[in-house]
Amino acid sequence: ELKVEQNPLFLSMQEGKNYTIYCNYSTTSDRLYWYRQDPGKSLESLFVLLSNGAVKQEGRLMASLDTKARLSTLHITAAVHDLSATYFCAVASQKLVFGQGTRLTINP
Amino acid sequence: DTAVSQTPKYLVTQMGNDKSIKCEQNLGHDTMYWYKQDSKKFLKIMFSYNNKELIINETVPNRFSPKSPDKAHLNLHINSLELGDSAVYFCASTSGPFYGLAGGEQFFGPGTRLTVL
Repeated sequence: ELKVEQNPLFLSMQEGKNYTIYCNYSTTSDRLYWYRQDPGKSLESLFVLLSNGAVKQEGRLMASLDTKARLSTLHITAAVHDLSATYFCAVASQKLVFGQGTRLTINP
Repeated sequence: DTAVSQTPKYLVTQMGNDKSIKCEQNLGHDTMYWYKQDSKKFLKIMFSYNNKELIINETVPNRFSPKSPDKAHLNLHINSLELGDSAVYFCASTSGPFYGLAGGEQFFGPGTRLTVL
């Protein structure tokens, strides 16, 4: 059974710093998603990664996928307060399996 | 225009009652889903329909029954509500099922916060 693990689960950081959220998964997959969720809100799609070595960037967020290592990373560059949210990775097999989420707090 | 909509947004009810949540998507997608997000924010798939046909049915109590009258709608009926059913329920849709490269980006509805007293 596919298992998806994120770390860290909680991350508090200062504005202007860089950090990385990791997403490990247990079985082969060729599709990985990153979502953002603000408190009390729905999930917003950030990235869809479709192949080994895929890298996508949007603003201060960059996501990558290593299918051989079964690892995806979400890198935050020069964090700003507006990026505070919970970030989920999700891996597709015949269904979408979510990680536990990483609650990111960025302090001024 | 809202891509995936759900009603109601909030639902507060007593144990033992029966309730329904409705979902509609106007994206022309073939596949729709119900997810449950618990109090610890963990998201788990419950059901998936592709062109009105049930394709994923996770280990969910029989009290939960999805119904898809057409491919743009997927409703969730819950019988004999229990305290543990309190959660946020999200509907979602994609242009195809997830396996292989047929699937695409998944769009989520705003969620229905169900509170069982």
